Amino acid sequence: QKEVEQNSGPLSVPEGAIASLNCTYSDRGSQSFFWYRQYSGKSPELIMSIYSNGDKEDGRFTAQLNKASQYVSLLIRDSQPSDSATYLCAVNTGTSGTYKYIFGTGTRLKVLA
Amino acid sequence: GAVVSQHPSWVICKSGTSVKIECRSLDFQATTMFWYRQFPKQSLMLMATSNEGSKATYEQGVEKDKFLINHASLTLSTLTVTSAHPEDSSFYICSARDIRAGPYTEAFFGQGTRLTVV
Repeated sequence: QKEVEQNSGPLSVPEGAIASLNCTYSDRGSQSFFWYRQYSGKSPELIMSIYSNGDKEDGRFTAQLNKASQYVSLLIRDSQPSDSATYLCAVNTGTSGTYKYIFGTGTRLKVLA
Repeated sequence: GAVVSQHPSWVICKSGTSVKIECRSLDFQATTMFWYRQFPKQSLMLMATSNEGSKATYEQGVEKDKFLINHASLTLSTLTVTSAHPEDSSFYICSARDIRAGPYTEAFFGQGTRLTVV
């Protein structure tokens, strides 16, 4: 079983719609969770971080975490063509002194104008 | 946000030569930096965790003698790809976490280095 799993997509949504991206992880001891956006040929940029169960909103983005289900999601409201990118879910995992970030394979999002 | 600078952005080298990639945290200190490799249309694969003042921790399957990591200061880590071969051609990305922010917080990425071995 992969440590962090995402649907590779592509996920296509019309402009103005809500895009929903999902991620599951295997390490129950994981403490923090992140969503990064990566444009083709570029390095990832941080969109959201979430540390506790529930929802966290930042502008058009909402991250949701359910540790019992080992599930993290990202909602993008009012999707724009500029949101078209690959979205990477990352999990901070490990033990004291050896924390590291493990990435999912990413979900490619296409927002259709 | 915190700035991580990676140099060079791209490099072309001949097969059999070595290439050094630098990763610097510009406005924060980082005891830990991470090196990733990304092949086209694939995700980031963690190669190693670089620890300031000590040996790097390599992920399973990564040859430590081929990918030399040095983390000589709280703001600089280097990755040297030794005896590079065409199959080493990839996008190499470093990330760093602010020492003041704690072990659970986000890491920030450099702009990446595209290595092409010919």
